[in-house]
Amino acid sequence: GAGVSQSPSNKVTEKGKDVELRCDPISGHTALYWYRQSLGQGLEFLIYFQGNSAPDKSGLPSDRFSAERTGGSVSTLTIQRTQQEDSAVYLCASSLAGGAGNTYGYTFGSGTRLTVV
Amino acid sequence: QKEVEQDPGPLSVPEGAIVSLNCTYSNSAFQYFMWYRQYSRKGPELLMYTYSSGNKEDGRFTAQVDKSSKYISLFIRDSQPSDSATYLCAMSWNSGNTPLVFGKGTRLSVIA
Repeated sequence: GAGVSQSPSNKVTEKGKDVELRCDPISGHTALYWYRQSLGQGLEFLIYFQGNSAPDKSGLPSDRFSAERTGGSVSTLTIQRTQQEDSAVYLCASSLAGGAGNTYGYTFGSGTRLTVV
Repeated sequence: QKEVEQDPGPLSVPEGAIVSLNCTYSNSAFQYFMWYRQYSRKGPELLMYTYSSGNKEDGRFTAQVDKSSKYISLFIRDSQPSDSATYLCAMSWNSGNTPLVFGKGTRLSVIA
């Protein structure tokens, strides 16, 4: 597609359940990022994939969070045993190359709005 | 102290006003600076990109970087109601595999 596609756009889940969020990046973009945006907290980095390199997981807040990227394309962010503090908008972005040297910047999807009740 | 500080606003201005949005940062190694615009229920989109210090102009938008003061600004001239959005600054210290660090964003409303 022309842009970064995320699904679902909205997800309401019960506390303690697992959720999977999907990101389909722009074709040909080698770098993929997950960020979390909470009210009043800005964008919080979660995880970064670049080509075939090991992902940078330094932003994952706990071991309940994991992500994978299959075939260098689609990525899934999984949150196990969800808690109310996990409620946020989860944004995925992709770019042609890793890091800030790419003058085209990141292209973001519209996000998945997760609500844990 | 967070690495990047940005006043969340909200900021409300009349149509046609000049808007000034700012961020300060603590990491003197930051060299790449960006401004993203985010409309409600949408993902952020890149507005301006600047490397190191100096000014960059694009239409009604001007980005300034003052590395000596660790201060960056975005100016919007002749503001329009369509400029109403949240503006996020973002920065990084290298062009390699380091994710951007974002400010919290400033919510701007331009009133017709």
